[in-house]
Amino acid sequence: SYELTQPPSVSVSPGQTARIACSGDALPKQYTYWYQQKPGQAPVLVVSKDSERPSGIPERFSGSSSGATVTLTISGVQAEDEADYYCQSADSSGTYWVFGGGTKLTVL
Amino acid sequence: EVQLVESGGGLVQPGGSLRLACTASGFSFSSYWMSWVRQAPGKGLEWVANIKEDTTEKYYVDSVKGRFTISRDNAKNSMYLQMNSLGADDTAVYYCARQRGAFEIWGQGTMVTVSS
Repeated sequence: SYELTQPPSVSVSPGQTARIACSGDALPKQYTYWYQQKPGQAPVLVVSKDSERPSGIPERFSGSSSGATVTLTISGVQAEDEADYYCQSADSSGTYWVFGGGTKLTVL
Repeated sequence: EVQLVESGGGLVQPGGSLRLACTASGFSFSSYWMSWVRQAPGKGLEWVANIKEDTTEKYYVDSVKGRFTISRDNAKNSMYLQMNSLGADDTAVYYCARQRGAFEIWGQGTMVTVSS
């Protein structure tokens, strides 16, 4: 079955830039989406279609793609950004959906 | 306000069945694909199933094929997940989500616990 790979954890100090990568064979063909999830809450979409920022999401959240790897970048990280982040995409057929394993962002 | 509300979760014995419901409000429910996504305690997100606006297409993750059935009633702005032959691995918070590629809107989730 198709898999997306993320690092389990990323740590940054406040004000620094956090980058979370996600890799998968079908990523060159399929859009990737990113979600933020805080403890006890439902996920929230923070980046759509590789690099689009939904309404209401701060400008410090951005996305980019290069081949089979996509990256979520959080510029000027704030304490409130500490959360789990998940990438999500579809398999090559576009039929079945998959999430990455999640990355825990720690703000030191 | 755009909102999704799940219901129907609870404690069920292994091998048992449960039916989850998701009720939508604040948007044109019949115009969107809808999905179920689950999250086991302390684990990541897993897409479970989705259903097209007119119910003509339904897809499932391999681990639930043949056991779970997704359905919807556009007249009632509702989606359902019939879960049969439940096992411990099905223990999770089940979220419904409005899908347009991305899972744009999420409910608050309903907990399903499979245990004797």
